[in-house]
Amino acid sequence: DTGVSQDPRHKITKRGQNVTFRCDPISEHNRLYWYRQTLGQGPEFLTYFQNEAQLEKSRLLSDRFSAERPKGSFSTLEIQRTEQGDSAMYLCASSFREGAEAFFGQGTRLTVV
Amino acid sequence: QKEVEQNSGPLSVPEGAIASLNCTYSDRVSQSFFWYRQYSGKSPELIMSIYSNGDKEDGRFTAQLNKASQYVSLLIRDSQPSDSATYLCAVRGFEDTGRRALTFGSGTRLQVQP
Repeated sequence: DTGVSQDPRHKITKRGQNVTFRCDPISEHNRLYWYRQTLGQGPEFLTYFQNEAQLEKSRLLSDRFSAERPKGSFSTLEIQRTEQGDSAMYLCASSFREGAEAFFGQGTRLTVV
Repeated sequence: QKEVEQNSGPLSVPEGAIASLNCTYSDRVSQSFFWYRQYSGKSPELIMSIYSNGDKEDGRFTAQLNKASQYVSLLIRDSQPSDSATYLCAVRGFEDTGRRALTFGSGTRLQVQP
């Protein structure tokens, strides 16, 4: 399968714990996006990478969220001191070039209890 | 005003009918437009992309774009029960504005009745 891959698919964590999600984009795609989606809403933009550079970050994104993309390949999204409001589906997408179609991974569903 | 607006639905159509899904956007310099289908509990799946005014057809799907009216639509012909899903409209701004990411609407839920 050469699509976007996300790991884990599901994560249940206790409030206050840190969690880290991984995304492996389609191999020739150098643009990578993170989104968050809650029930009944469209995906909400979190951050964007072009190769290893983080070029855009949502103004709404808490300082508890951080993302990296070392060497411009896979990316990680870390949430520190999780809160119940962080419960959502975290989606990763990649695209080949500016303006091209973006393809999503299966998502990581986070539940904070 | 939301940047990308869609009627949440549900839009209910009988099997075999044409389903028409609409989307308006606020950023006049938006350049790229996409429709995604999302089944419950799954991630969005790309259906169509459209970049210039007019119609673009792909199988049973037709995307329509009118930049002057800031309006994009998706027509699904011969609707099938398997088309029942939430349809997300996504818009990407012009690169020079720094808005590289897709902005999504909240989606329209489509129900195709057998």
